[in-house]
Amino acid sequence: AQSVTQPDIHITVSEGASLELRCNYSYGATPYLFWYVQSPGQGLQLLLKYFSGDTLVQGIKGFEAEFKRSQSSFNLRKPSVHWSDAAEYFCAVGMTTDSWGKLQFGAGTQVVVTP
Amino acid sequence: NAGVTQTPKFRVLKTGQSMTLLCAQDMNHEYMYWYRQDPGMGLRLIHYSVGEGTTAKGEVPDGYNVSRLKKQNFLLGLESAAPSQTSVYFCASSYSTPSVTEAFFGQGTRLTVV
Repeated sequence: AQSVTQPDIHITVSEGASLELRCNYSYGATPYLFWYVQSPGQGLQLLLKYFSGDTLVQGIKGFEAEFKRSQSSFNLRKPSVHWSDAAEYFCAVGMTTDSWGKLQFGAGTQVVVTP
Repeated sequence: NAGVTQTPKFRVLKTGQSMTLLCAQDMNHEYMYWYRQDPGMGLRLIHYSVGEGTTAKGEVPDGYNVSRLKKQNFLLGLESAAPSQTSVYFCASSYSTPSVTEAFFGQGTRLTVV
């Protein structure tokens, strides 16, 4: 069965420091990959997505993610974190064989930003 | 531009009561989804719809029903609420499959069943 794993439940980072959030998936083929962010009390917002091609993907708010097929990973990074980046981040996978486009989400990583 | 609007935002139900959650989108999207979000479990798909009058079961459909009588609305019903249905519910919509086009999410409905 397909699965999405975010190993880190909670990460604390200082403002201005770099951030990396991990995501691993289990799927028979290369899936579509997404990162979403959920600010407190809000819905989810798409940060970036990977379908094919260049394995380094740029997103909004200064985020980027790198797809590594050999590691079945799609880690999210930001060079310098701002206080407004405090939120919960979800990795999601879409199966290329699913014509109805359902997404499977990881459990999420809560990011706390300290001054 | 409202996007995806969920009604209500908060609700407390007693066990056995029924209710309907409304999701409305004004983007003329074909695809609509209902998810529930529970701590440590991310979002899990309850039901979805790929067009007016069509619905299908997702990962956790038991205890829920849905209807899509109008393209812009997707209703989620709980016929007899149980404490296990205490959760935050999110509706999402997309123009095409979310694997291809961006899915837009509502702000959520926090439901507590006592």
